Amino acid sequence: DVVMTQSPLSLPVTLGQPASISCRSSRGLVHSDGSTYLNWFQQRPGQSPRRLIYEVSNRDSGVPDRFSGSGSGTEFTLKISRVEAEDVGIYYCMQGTHWTWTFGQGTKVEIK
Amino acid sequence: EVQLVESGGGLVQPGGSLRISCTASGFTFSDHWMSWVRQAPGKGPECVANIKQDGSLIFYVDSLKGRFTISRDNAKNSLYLQMNSLRAEDTAVYYCARAIRHSYDYWGQGTLVTVSS
Repeated sequence: DVVMTQSPLSLPVTLGQPASISCRSSRGLVHSDGSTYLNWFQQRPGQSPRRLIYEVSNRDSGVPDRFSGSGSGTEFTLKISRVEAEDVGIYYCMQGTHWTWTFGQGTKVEIK
Repeated sequence: EVQLVESGGGLVQPGGSLRISCTASGFTFSDHWMSWVRQAPGKGPECVANIKQDGSLIFYVDSLKGRFTISRDNAKNSLYLQMNSLRAEDTAVYYCARAIRHSYDYWGQGTLVTVSS
């Protein structure tokens, strides 16, 4: 299976400051159809995961534009331009290129 | 509005069986791949199985093959997961999710399955 490694695992952030989460895959994520199926999910305390970003950099409907995704090959990044209180939670990257689709260990974002 | 509502979770003894269900609404169920994803306490999500629109193609995570069976009834807008020979490590919240373009765009609220004597 493709191993997804996130860093850091814990990210204390000051309100209004930027945050960045890294995700590295053990294999390249370019599918045979040419797309790169790297997704980012947010899981707020006590809630189900919610998709924020699909195919590396596409924001889902209703996701604030302070969230952005980038990367290629095996290295990907989720950035929050200015952290707000509602952004507290665990963030997971997930690859959908190779079955079994796999998630990273999660990065816990908290307010300092 | 897309809604996925899971049901059927509960406490089951090791070696036992359980069938959980998911009822979908707000979209054309028969047009979409559907999935089960589970999350053990304090852990990240884990893909369990995906099923094609007409049920003709199914993918399972290797570690669960032979014990878990995913199925669907498009007439009832329902997705199922039959779980047999349950073990303590199967304890998790089980989510129903809609799969689209190698991703999950909508998730249910989950149903908790606890395997314990």
